[in-house]
Amino acid sequence: IVMTQSPATLSVSPGERATLSCRASQSVSSNLAWYQQKPGQAPRLLIYGASTRATGIPARFSGSGSGTEFTLTISSLQSEDFAVYYCQQYNKWPRGFGGGTKVEIK
Amino acid sequence: QITLKESGPTLVKPTQTLTLTCTFSGFSLSTSGVGVGWIRQPPGKALEWLALIYWDDDERYSPSLRSRLIITKDTSKNQVVLTMTNMDPVDTATYYCVHSGEFQPFDYWGQGTLVTVSS
Repeated sequence: IVMTQSPATLSVSPGERATLSCRASQSVSSNLAWYQQKPGQAPRLLIYGASTRATGIPARFSGSGSGTEFTLTISSLQSEDFAVYYCQQYNKWPRGFGGGTKVEIK
Repeated sequence: QITLKESGPTLVKPTQTLTLTCTFSGFSLSTSGVGVGWIRQPPGKALEWLALIYWDDDERYSPSLRSRLIITKDTSKNQVVLTMTNMDPVDTATYYCVHSGEFQPFDYWGQGTLVTVSS
């Protein structure tokens, strides 16, 4: 299963909304996760089951979608949210990640 | 609280075999449904899943690297070992150890260890 993320880079001003997309080449049901990675750090799980926030993740992060089309929305970007975001399917083997979306300050 | 930590060489020569150890705490790899795996990330590039081993010794591998990888576990030591043969400069990456479960995401990550392949 090939995971494709768009856009590759998203320029957003603090306080604005960011919408990130992830597409799977075949259905992954709702077995889709989103991760956030900051420079020099390991990725952190944000969303699993396509729409469930992981422990400690702020409510401004939300996920939606099922099947092949998924979206991660950050409702009001904070300074700490500028990072790279990856989607990943865990419905089938081999596990696969998207190429990432870098959210940068506009 | 679950923690994982990778250890191993920071520099290997081309054609050599890489052996990485993940030492974890806060869970047992003898518990039903639990798995530990490896993911790597070349500098400036995306994440790539490599392998995962489950509590019941079920092993899963990336098809593109299957011939070069072996993953094993030592439940008594709370360790998982990844062996990758015939290392090449393109294998230069940060290697992460992760906790997962059956039909579960990678919910806990180690800090990662940078492995450079160079003569």
